[in-house]
Amino acid sequence: RKEVEQDPGPFNVPEGATVAFNCTYSNSASQSFFWYRQDCRKEPKLLMSVYSSGNEDGRFTAQLNRASQYISLLIRDSKLSDSATYLCVVNRLNYGGSQGNLIFGKGTKLSVKP
Amino acid sequence: NAGVTQTPKFQVLKTGQSMTLQCAQDMNHEYMSWYRQDPGMGLRLIHYSVGAGITDQGEVPNGYNVSRSTTEDFPLRLLSAAPSQTSVYFCASSREAGNQPQHFGDGTRLSIL
Repeated sequence: RKEVEQDPGPFNVPEGATVAFNCTYSNSASQSFFWYRQDCRKEPKLLMSVYSSGNEDGRFTAQLNRASQYISLLIRDSKLSDSATYLCVVNRLNYGGSQGNLIFGKGTKLSVKP
Repeated sequence: NAGVTQTPKFQVLKTGQSMTLQCAQDMNHEYMSWYRQDPGMGLRLIHYSVGAGITDQGEVPNGYNVSRSTTEDFPLRLLSAAPSQTSVYFCASSREAGNQPQHFGDGTRLSIL
């Protein structure tokens, strides 16, 4: 299994739709999980951290399933401005087992249409 | 708030030339890193630093050098540019360890002819 794997999409949805992205990761000992958003030709920006109990920020809900090693992002009531690439991010462990650098998935492209 | 500042934003080099990409942050972050982003490859870690005077290699370090003489600055040097180094380069920083959310600069688009 790749360290972090995402469906590349693109996901083409109408405004107002609910869309869900999934991401799987390979190392069961990883402890930090994030979703980033990247607009075309721009830098990645943190969308939200992902906590074990799941968390919500407005129209966005993130969930973590440690047993199955996947992370999800749900976007409700999609807006045109949600069009972007969504990156799943997990930390890699160092050789000695300490929490190391972040690994970025290749991203899932979302296009919201009028 | 400046955050993470990268210069230049665009650069065209000839094969064999050397150059330094600059990165500075004003958030007093200990951790800084350099990534390259290529189509279909996602972000790949080149080098990182956990504090002034300490650097280490990431996934794709060959052809690049870094140094961290101050907390604020983390320049990336291309020793002898090759066409394979054509990419978008991002610098990022975070408060402490590399497992915390990172703030990115707006990138340097580099073309090697």
